[in-house]
Amino acid sequence: EPEVTQTPSHQVTQMGQEVILRCVPISNHLYFYWYRQILGQKVEFLVSFYNNEISEKSEIFDDQFSVERPDGSNFTLKIRSTKLEDSAMYFCASRVSNTEAFFGQGTRLTVV
Amino acid sequence: SQQGEEDPQALSIQEGENATMNCSYKTSINNLQWYRQNSGRGLVHLILIRSNEREKHSGRLRVTLDTSKKSSSLLITASRAADTASYFCATDATRDDKIIFGKGTRLHILP
Repeated sequence: EPEVTQTPSHQVTQMGQEVILRCVPISNHLYFYWYRQILGQKVEFLVSFYNNEISEKSEIFDDQFSVERPDGSNFTLKIRSTKLEDSAMYFCASRVSNTEAFFGQGTRLTVV
Repeated sequence: SQQGEEDPQALSIQEGENATMNCSYKTSINNLQWYRQNSGRGLVHLILIRSNEREKHSGRLRVTLDTSKKSSSLLITASRAADTASYFCATDATRDDKIIFGKGTRLHILP
């Protein structure tokens, strides 16, 4: 069964460093998303991406964040200068259209 | 805010009993989805119900949707220990391209 894969599963980085979280969505999907979940809290929408551009973004998704689909298969989330409060689980998701979204297993980002 | 709000926040029941979780939301939706999350793991899609549907079944799951009340319920029948998890409703609004999650219900099945 096709699945969304995310790498790495756990990333530890120093405050102020740049991190890139990687995702491989399901191949025939057209809509891509990043979410984050701070430990024990709700799942928060960050950004949606369609047709090679951002279609929606939340207030959390400020200038420190960017997304890219560089090669038609990978979908990346970059955080330019990490802060302690960026520590969270980051989930990638994809879907065909107005259907269920499939989520990856997440990347646990720890900023120290 | 479009965000769904589940209640109760936490629910503990005996194995074999039925578990009911409710969700309310605020805006017009295309569909509403329910997801399960085991501790520290990814989100698993359970069921999607469209705005023109009122009830949907999948195995031991039953979902209802009342668009006039902007509410949905998830019923898990004959609960099992493996059902212990957090359950989230997520709404897909008509106006934008994002799925917004509620805060979730933590379900604990007691042996």
